[in-house]
Parts: sequence; structure tokens; C-alpha cells
Amino acid sequence: SYELTQPPSVSVSPGQTARITCSGDALPKKFASWYQQKSGQAPVLVIYEDSKRPSGIPERFSGSSSGTMATLTISGAQVEDEADYYCYSTDSSVVFGGGTRLTVL
Amino acid sequence: QVTLRESGPALVKPTQTLTLTCTFSGFSLTTSGMYVSWIRQPPGKALEWLARIDWEDDKYYSTFLRTRLTISKDTSKNQVVLTMTNMDPADTATYYCARSYGSGTYHPDHWGQGALVTVSS
Repeated sequence: SYELTQPPSVSVSPGQTARITCSGDALPKKFASWYQQKSGQAPVLVIYEDSKRPSGIPERFSGSSSGTMATLTISGAQVEDEADYYCYSTDSSVVFGGGTRLTVL
Repeated sequence: QVTLRESGPALVKPTQTLTLTCTFSGFSLTTSGMYVSWIRQPPGKALEWLARIDWEDDKYYSTFLRTRLTISKDTSKNQVVLTMTNMDPADTATYYCARSYGSGTYHPDHWGQGALVTVSS
């Protein structure tokens, strides 16, 4: 079965750049999307099709993909960006990554 | 404005069948390229995709759960229903419905607030 692998946690200080990675064998030919989930809330789409940002998502959120790895970058992370982040992709099945807890402090 | 809302029992007993309803507004599931999915999240764990239905009534299921899941739609009521048979305590989770539109990646762009379902005797 298809799997997406994320680091369990990433920690940065406010104003620093946070990078969250997602690795998967199908990513060279399949798009990745990213979701932000704050405590007790539903997920919110922050990046789709590797690097597109939905309306209303701050410009500090960006995405990229190279080879088997997709990356979510938060440039100048803010305290309110503290959340769990999940990558998402589809191959023969629909898969979410295991999630990365971003701490900003 | 796109909204989705999940409804169903908060508590089910082991071996029972769970039926969840997603009621949505702001879009139609008769529109070409429209999809509604169900996704769940056990407490403290990751998201897990369960099933998807599209505007043509095509249905797709998680490989691991396909024998227990049925997804259906009622376009006149703007509802999508998920049934899951033979519930187990391991199925305790928040269940979300979510919409996807116009993308070959089917990424959900709007989510409901979720419904917590506890499986316990």
C-alpha cells in the first residue's frame, strides 16, 4: 500500500523558516497537498497540487516537490501557525501522511 | 458559501452498524467534477481517508475497509451517507466529510467540523 512519511515534529522560533517534508514513492508523478489542523478544529487546505495556495492562505505558506519528496515551507513562522500539518496524495489509493506537529516558540 | 455538516450517533456498540450523514450547501453533487469524501481521525492520531463518491455516482473505498463501507448520495437532499458495519472500539474517531472539486488529485478543499463517534459497550 502507498505511504507518505512525515517527521513527527518540527520546532522553530517565531520569524524563522519552518520546513516540513513528506516522502512517498509516487510523488515524482503525483501531486501533493498540505493541510493545517489546529487543536480541536477541522483540517484546512493550505497548499494543493504541490505549490498552489488557496485564496485566503497567507503568502508565507509555500510548497514544492522534487523527486520523492514534497516540502511545505512557512517563511517567517508565526505563533498562530503552530498546528499539525498533513500531506496528502493519491496513487492507487488516497493517502494522508502521519502528520507533523509544528511548534513555534 | 460552501458548508458541510456531519450528523449521526455519538455512541455505538461493538458489532453495530454506523450510519453517518453529511448535509451540505453551497454546491451541487450533480455538477461535473464534484466529489464528497469521508475521512476519519482517531483521537490523537492521523487522518485516514475512507471513501469518495462523485457526481456520476462512482464510488471509491479504502482498500483496508472496503468490505465494511458503503457510500451513497441523495442529490435532492444534498446529502451523502456513509455506513460502516461491524463497528469496533478501534473505529472510535472523529468522522469528517469533505468536498473536492475539479481536480484530478481530488484534494478536499472544504471540510465539515467533524462528528465524534465512540464505540463502546
